[in-house]
Amino acid sequence: ETGVTQTPRHLVMGMTNKKSLKCEQHLGHNAMYWYKQSAKKPLELMFVYSLEERVENNSVPSRFSPECPNSSHLFLHLHTLQPEDSALYLCASSQYHDGSTGELFFGEGSRLTVL
Amino acid sequence: EDKVVQSPLSLVVHEGDTVTLNCSYEVTNFRSLLWYKQEKKAPTFLFMLTSSGIEKKSGRLSSILDKKELFSILNITATQTGDSAVYLCAVEPSNTDKLIFGTGTRLQVFP
Repeated sequence: ETGVTQTPRHLVMGMTNKKSLKCEQHLGHNAMYWYKQSAKKPLELMFVYSLEERVENNSVPSRFSPECPNSSHLFLHLHTLQPEDSALYLCASSQYHDGSTGELFFGEGSRLTVL
Repeated sequence: EDKVVQSPLSLVVHEGDTVTLNCSYEVTNFRSLLWYKQEKKAPTFLFMLTSSGIEKKSGRLSSILDKKELFSILNITATQTGDSAVYLCAVEPSNTDKLIFGTGTRLQVFP
């Protein structure tokens, strides 16, 4: 496989469920990202892992919990979500260098619907 | 507050037309501006611009940055139906690793 792969591609969950989104990058990059894309809104950065260290993002609710076990894998754990969390969740990777994000390579996204 | 504004929000043209997409920005410390094409799900990278007045070109697509007036344009000549997509503009400030995206311009090219 090449590039950035995300699973599942579609997810429907109730507000009391616990689920996880998975992302894997095969590009040898040292940084991975979670973005949220809602209708008619700009792409919103949720979390950054650079060199496997998480950059805090205090604006993201605690019901979203990221995990980055190594430089190739990134998870987004979801629990007690709200209907307004329904969106396309995009994972991306890049070669972070000298304080610059550089070119982002995106996965196909996980379309999440919260009932 | 840093922000990126794209215009128009949507555009409908016929094959063969030339289109110009606009991206204006306000950031405290500018590092780079990037253009992405999003057809269905995954945005794909088009250009990165850091210097003012230097045109980046790839086939029928070209882009230029004006750091004085704080905007960039993306030109597509001789449009094809395959150019139909949402075009995203993003700016990277130099004091953060957080890209700031605009809401995008949705381009529809009809035969």
